[in-house]
This record gives sequence, structure tokens and C-alpha cells, in this order.
Amino acid sequence: AQSVTQLGSHVSVSEGALVLLRCNYSSSVPPYLFWYVQYPNQGLQLLLKYTTGATLVKGINGFEAEFKKSETSFHLTKPSAHMSDAAEYFCAVSGGDSSYKLIFGSGTRLLVRP
Amino acid sequence: GAVVSQHPSRVICKSGTSVKIECRSLDFQATTMFWYRQFPKQSLMLMATSNEGSKATYEQGVEKDKFLINHASLTLSTLTVTSAHPEDSSFYICSAQRSGLAGYSSTDTQYFGPGTRLTVL
Repeated sequence: AQSVTQLGSHVSVSEGALVLLRCNYSSSVPPYLFWYVQYPNQGLQLLLKYTTGATLVKGINGFEAEFKKSETSFHLTKPSAHMSDAAEYFCAVSGGDSSYKLIFGSGTRLLVRP
Repeated sequence: GAVVSQHPSRVICKSGTSVKIECRSLDFQATTMFWYRQFPKQSLMLMATSNEGSKATYEQGVEKDKFLINHASLTLSTLTVTSAHPEDSSFYICSAQRSGLAGYSSTDTQYFGPGTRLTVL
């Protein structure tokens, strides 16, 4: 079975500061990993995904994530936070026995202070 | 591209009535669509996988007779909540997976709709 753990239900940063949202996964097979963002009362938007190849993945809005197999992690970062980044962020895994199903983490709410 | 719409965006109904939610892929064909449920301040839970022209596959614990799913075309899937009760109140989100020549795979991106907030009084 696959699972995703997102450490920290809330993360607060100042505008212009580094954003780091943590995601660890559990999978018995090579995982496919995703980060989605959700704004209030909206659906999810894909930020980036890792399937194979380069472990550092660049996404939209200046976000990137690095797949670290040895640490079973896929943390999301952005060098400089913007007020518009305030939202809920979900890490998800698929692949292997879960096939196409996306298994989501519990989410992290990012707060950006002016 | 890859826009998914849902209708209605918000619905309030009385207990015991049925509610239909539509999910459409606007600019691509989707062999597979997914229905999720999200409780306040919680993550998304997959309810069922909908394949065009065949019966939906429900996740464990999801009542298929209560949550009827129809995927009549490559661009439309519907979720009907039958005999809705207050505990069915939730945010329902669909997603669509773009069809590939070789079918879908785990790497295919799911594109999400904006969600439907259901409130059952």
C-alpha cells in the first residue's frame, strides 16, 4: 500500500521568504509523485509531478520539488514567497499497486505574512 | 487546455432528495474520470473511478447505490447522490485523465474540476 505524510498542517512564512513544504511517501514500488495547490472553494491545480528521470522537478509559479529516494521525500520549495501563494497544498502519490489512483496527503495550509 | 468543469458549483437540497452533479472535460477526451469527496479542512478521498461505457469502480466503503455514477461519453460523467442526508454534505470534486493512445497510465495527469459544494438540510 502507498501512503503520503505531510508534516505540518500549517506553515507560515513572510513574504519574500523561502517556502518549504514537506512530503514523505511510502511505496513498495517506484512512485509517481505530485504536488497540487487548492485555493479556497476551488478544485486542485497541478504544480508539478515526478515520474522518472531528473529528480529535481520544476513546476509552475516558481515552485520546485526534489525526489529523494533515500529519504522517501518529495519536498516542495519556492525561493521567495508571494502573497498569492497562500493556499492549501497537497502531495500525492500514484503508481505500483495503486495504479492510476492518487493517494493524497492531509494537506498543508501555507500562510504568507506581509 | 485541459479544462474540467463541474455543475452546479453549489447546491442546497432537502434531506431525502437526489442531486446530480456533472463533470465535463471541455477541451479533451477523458476515458477515465474520478470522483473525490473532501470534508472541511481535510484531504481528498477517492470515491470511485468512472470509465466511459462501463460501470464505475467504487472504493471500499462507498455505497454504489447511494452514489450513482454514469460516464456516458468521453467528456461527461455524472454523480448522483440519491436520497441525500445531512451527512452527505461535502465538497465533491471530479477529475479527468486525458486519454492516451495506449490508454491511461499512472503518469497521466489528472485535471481537476472546481468542485461542487453540497449542503443537505
